[in-house]
Amino acid sequence: DIVLTQSPASLAVSLGQRATISCKASQSVDYDGDSYMNWYQQKPGQPPKLLIYAASNLESGIPARFSGSGSGTDFTLNIHPVEEEDAATYYCQQSNEDPYTFGGGTKLEIK
Amino acid sequence: EVQLQQSGAELVKPGASVKLSCTASGFNIKDTYMHWVKQRPEQGLEWIGRIDPANGNTKYDPKFQGKATITADTSSNTAYLQLSSLTSEDTAVYYCARRHAMDYWGQGTSVTVSS
Repeated sequence: DIVLTQSPASLAVSLGQRATISCKASQSVDYDGDSYMNWYQQKPGQPPKLLIYAASNLESGIPARFSGSGSGTDFTLNIHPVEEEDAATYYCQQSNEDPYTFGGGTKLEIK
Repeated sequence: EVQLQQSGAELVKPGASVKLSCTASGFNIKDTYMHWVKQRPEQGLEWIGRIDPANGNTKYDPKFQGKATITADTSSNTAYLQLSSLTSEDTAVYYCARRHAMDYWGQGTSVTVSS
């Protein structure tokens, strides 16, 4: 199985500043020129919401302050500038290989 | 509008089975994969498996082999998750979602296993 390690497990960022979340895969999630890494946001009591697909593509309706980058085994989610409503837990997930796997999550607090 | 409507909360006894449903509207489930994801209280997300409703082919995380069975009924545009031999470890919220990058999710079904 591909293990996804997210860091940090939690972070506190001041309003308007940048939040950076890392996701490292135990093996490449690239195939045929694409990176099969997705990012989700989850707020308490709600299902996850897709933010970024294929490493760097912004899902429709998601604000442009969210961005994703990376390839191979190293991926990053950036949020800038952070807003109050971004307080949530963020998960990376790979869809390159069965079984699909999720990272352990990063809890973002807004200061 | 794309929606995934899941069945209501379940309280089940240890050893029993339960079957959850996920009814799609706004798209045809035959056109995409349907996934099921587990989330225990205050824990992260676990992928259970998926089905290709067009041909009934399924894939499971080996951890859930023998525990979970995913099926689909294209006539009612509904995917199902059956969980068997339930224990307290199966107490969780279960979500359905569509596509490789899970762009739409159901609201979740809470399953509580308790005597």
